[in-house]
Amino acid sequence: GAVVSQHPSWVICKSGTSVKIECRSLDFQATTMFWYRQFPKQSLMLMATSNEGSKATYEQGVEKDKFLINHASLTLSTLTVTSAHPEDSSFYICSGDLDSYEQYFGPGTRLTVT
Amino acid sequence: KQEVTQIPAALSVPEGENLVLNCSFTDSAIYNLQWFRQDPGKGLTSLLLIQSSQREQTSGRLNASLDKSSGRSTLYIAASQPGDSATYLCAASDSGTYKYIFGTGTRLKVLA
Repeated sequence: GAVVSQHPSWVICKSGTSVKIECRSLDFQATTMFWYRQFPKQSLMLMATSNEGSKATYEQGVEKDKFLINHASLTLSTLTVTSAHPEDSSFYICSGDLDSYEQYFGPGTRLTVT
Repeated sequence: KQEVTQIPAALSVPEGENLVLNCSFTDSAIYNLQWFRQDPGKGLTSLLLIQSSQREQTSGRLNASLDKSSGRSTLYIAASQPGDSATYLCAASDSGTYKYIFGTGTRLKVLA
């Protein structure tokens, strides 16, 4: 199956700083990548959809200026959490879309903001 | 707006039992229905994907069915094992946008 990686796997940052999470499709080109957030004991919630070379589309209630998404190539998308606060602490998971048939998910990044 | 619900929210069974996990969705205009497993603190492991034109998929001890007209999917696990303990998530993909909407999850514990 297609493989998606995320880096870092976990990160701790101080309140007010920014942190960048990378999502890479290792063996396929992902026209579309998706970013999800998962709070403890809850399900995954879609944050945004990004297409290579264009602006991301954010779901209702997600602040686009806080969660900056860049999809620079068909194999790399980045999520930057700007001015992070403790309430941004969460598990962030990305996925890559292969021909719109199936999404392949990364292993996730655990963000803790102190 | 698509809503995906899973019942039960939690389930505890003795080893060896056959069990059924349920997934309901409100909008039948789906492209795929996919079942995942998630271990604590980990990412998602894809179990089975059912295309909208299919009725079921099987892999080993797992069987997933899809009934679009009634907005339901079930995941059947045969001869459960302690290693099956995890959270199981279903996700329905929208037929227009291909976005995945995840269900609320079922936390399964199989007792040895």
